[in-house]
Amino acid sequence: EPEVTQTPSHQVTQMGQEVILRCVPISNHLYFYWYRQILGQKVEFLVSFYNNEISEKSEIFDDQFSVERPDGSNFTLKIRSTKLEDSAMYFCASRRGGNMQPQHFGDGTRLSIL
Amino acid sequence: GDSVTQMEGPVTLSEEAFLTINCTYTATGYPSLFWYVQYPGEGLQLLLKATKADDKGSNKGFEATYRKETTSFHLEKGSVQVSDSAVYFCALIGSGGGADGLTFGKGTHLIIQP
Repeated sequence: EPEVTQTPSHQVTQMGQEVILRCVPISNHLYFYWYRQILGQKVEFLVSFYNNEISEKSEIFDDQFSVERPDGSNFTLKIRSTKLEDSAMYFCASRRGGNMQPQHFGDGTRLSIL
Repeated sequence: GDSVTQMEGPVTLSEEAFLTINCTYTATGYPSLFWYVQYPGEGLQLLLKATKADDKGSNKGFEATYRKETTSFHLEKGSVQVSDSAVYFCALIGSGGGADGLTFGKGTHLIIQP
C-alpha cells in the first residue's frame, strides 16, 4: 500500500538555524498538509497546499515558515530561523480528493532545537 | 472555531474488556469525523471514518457512530487485545470544502494489560 514518507526521522538543529523537513506524499494525491505535535499536546494543523499554492494556513504558520513542492514528488517545510519552541514532531499528510476522503500521514520528523 | 474533546488518559484495561473512548465535537455544518491511531514510534493511521449523521465507521473490530444530536463520535470495541495499546485521536474536518486541515482532540493513551 502506498505510504507518505518523511525524512529525516530525527533532526537536531541549533537555535537560529534554518531547517528543511522533507516529505514524499502518495503519488496520485492532490492535497498536501503539514501538522505539528509538541510533546504532550494535541496535533495542530499548520498549512495545506493544493494546485501548487498554499490553500489554508493556521496562526502558527507565520513568516518563519514556508512550504514548497519543488518537483512532482517532494513537499518540503522550511523553518527559516528556528526557535526553541519549534521543537516538536512534524507530520506530513496527503489526501487524494475532497474533504470526505481521509488524510494519510507519514511517520513524522522529530525536530529538536538546542 | 471547530474543536474536539476526548476523554483524558491513560485508559488501562485488561485484555478482552469492553472499550469506550468518548469524543464530542463542536463544528458548524456537517463535518466529517475520523479516528486515528498512533502506535509507539509510528505515525498516525486512519482507523475509521464517518461522513454524515448516523453513519457507522468500523475497522479491526472498532466502531464509532456519528451522532449529530449529541455531537459525539465515541469509539468502541467489544474485546480489546494487548496489540490495541496505542494513542487514539478523534478528529474532524469541516464541511466547507477546499483543503481544510483536520482538527484533533488531545488523544487518549490506551494501555491493555494481559
